[in-house]
Amino acid sequence: GIQVEQSPPDLILQEGANSTLRCNFSDSVNNLQWFHQNPWGQLINLFYIPSGTKQNGRLSATTVATERYSLLYISSSQTTDSGVYFCAVERVSNYQLIWGAGTKLIIKP
Amino acid sequence: NAGVTQTPKFQVLKTGQSMTLQCAQDMNHEYMSWYRQDPGMGLRLIHYSVGAGITDQGEVPNGYNVSRSTTEDFPLRLLSAAPSQTSVYFCASSYVEGRGTNYGYTFGSGTRLTVV
Repeated sequence: GIQVEQSPPDLILQEGANSTLRCNFSDSVNNLQWFHQNPWGQLINLFYIPSGTKQNGRLSATTVATERYSLLYISSSQTTDSGVYFCAVERVSNYQLIWGAGTKLIIKP
Repeated sequence: NAGVTQTPKFQVLKTGQSMTLQCAQDMNHEYMSWYRQDPGMGLRLIHYSVGAGITDQGEVPNGYNVSRSTTEDFPLRLLSAAPSQTSVYFCASSYVEGRGTNYGYTFGSGTRLTVV
């Protein structure tokens, strides 16, 4: 099956810092999504990005499908950015999402 | 607009008991799914449905049943609870668009289940 690996597993930064989170996947996929799980457990979709680059405020994402990786950039971090960031890829065959183990981000004030 | 509503938020079961986790969505999404989240891991798909009357297994279906009698509801049944089913369970809904990609993923707030 498809393997999804995220790095780093943990990241601790001061408020205002920039960060890059990486997602590698092992096979061709229909789509790739980034999610944020806040400290209270709520999951929110950030990006649908099967290829190319998208930006939403301080967050941007780039997927290079031919090389099977995606990057999530967070600029000028705020404490509200804390939580776990997940990458999930959608199987070509049946819409199923396969999730990475996540990157736990802690932003210190 | 409530989105995806999951109940209960917390539950403690004894080994061998059965129960049903409820999930309802009001967005008319055709695709619904159940995941479990264990510490330090990503979500793993238990069962999913592409529409009323249609369900299929995900990665970790053993010990769970689902049904989809209406577009809105997608309950998850634990047949005989085991300690290995202690986890946080999430229900999600989405819609299929274009060349068959799921969009609009909306998650419920989760159910924290402990089996003793």
